[in-house]
Amino acid sequence: AQSVTQLGSHVSVSEGALVLLRCNYSSSVPPYLFWYVQYPNQGLQLLLKYTSAATLVKGINGFEAEFKKSETSFHLTKPSAHMSDAAEYFCAVSDRANQGGKLIFGQGTELSVKP
Amino acid sequence: ETGVTQSPTHLIKTRGQQVTLRCSSQSGHNTVSWYQQALGQGPQFIFQYYREEENGRGNFPPRFSGLQFPNYSSELNVNALELDDSALYLCASSLGSGGPTDTQYFGPGTRLTVL
Repeated sequence: AQSVTQLGSHVSVSEGALVLLRCNYSSSVPPYLFWYVQYPNQGLQLLLKYTSAATLVKGINGFEAEFKKSETSFHLTKPSAHMSDAAEYFCAVSDRANQGGKLIFGQGTELSVKP
Repeated sequence: ETGVTQSPTHLIKTRGQQVTLRCSSQSGHNTVSWYQQALGQGPQFIFQYYREEENGRGNFPPRFSGLQFPNYSSELNVNALELDDSALYLCASSLGSGGPTDTQYFGPGTRLTVL
């Protein structure tokens, strides 16, 4: 069965510092991969997704993620953190054979940004 | 702004009761998915509907059921509520037919508390 592991339930960075949120997936066939952000009292918003085109995916708000098959990873990065980036981030996968829309989410990483 | 709305925002029920949660998808989105997000966890897929037919289901018992209507609205019904059903319930709509690369647009959720 597919699964997603997000290393670190809480990451804290200083404003202007690099943001790195880690995501590893478990699948015999490379899946499709997504990063979502959840602000307090709001639903999830898609940051970016990998659908087997370019391995380096650029998303909204300056975020990007790189698909590395050899490491089964899809880590999310941003060169310079802003205070407004503080939120909960979720990595998710979907199965290439999946026609039922099922997204499997990781446990989430809460990002704090210090002034 | 995603355009997906959910009602009510909050709900308190007692064990054994029944509850109906409502979602209004973005216009033109024929697919709706429902997720359960327990506190401190990532969302878990409940089921998906495409053009009023169930298109996929996660590991939830039959007391979780749904309906989708032609006007882009949908319902999640839960019978015989249990304490563990306390969670944030999210609906997400998508433009496609529920394929694995479809972008799902999430609503803000309904917070259900079961006492």
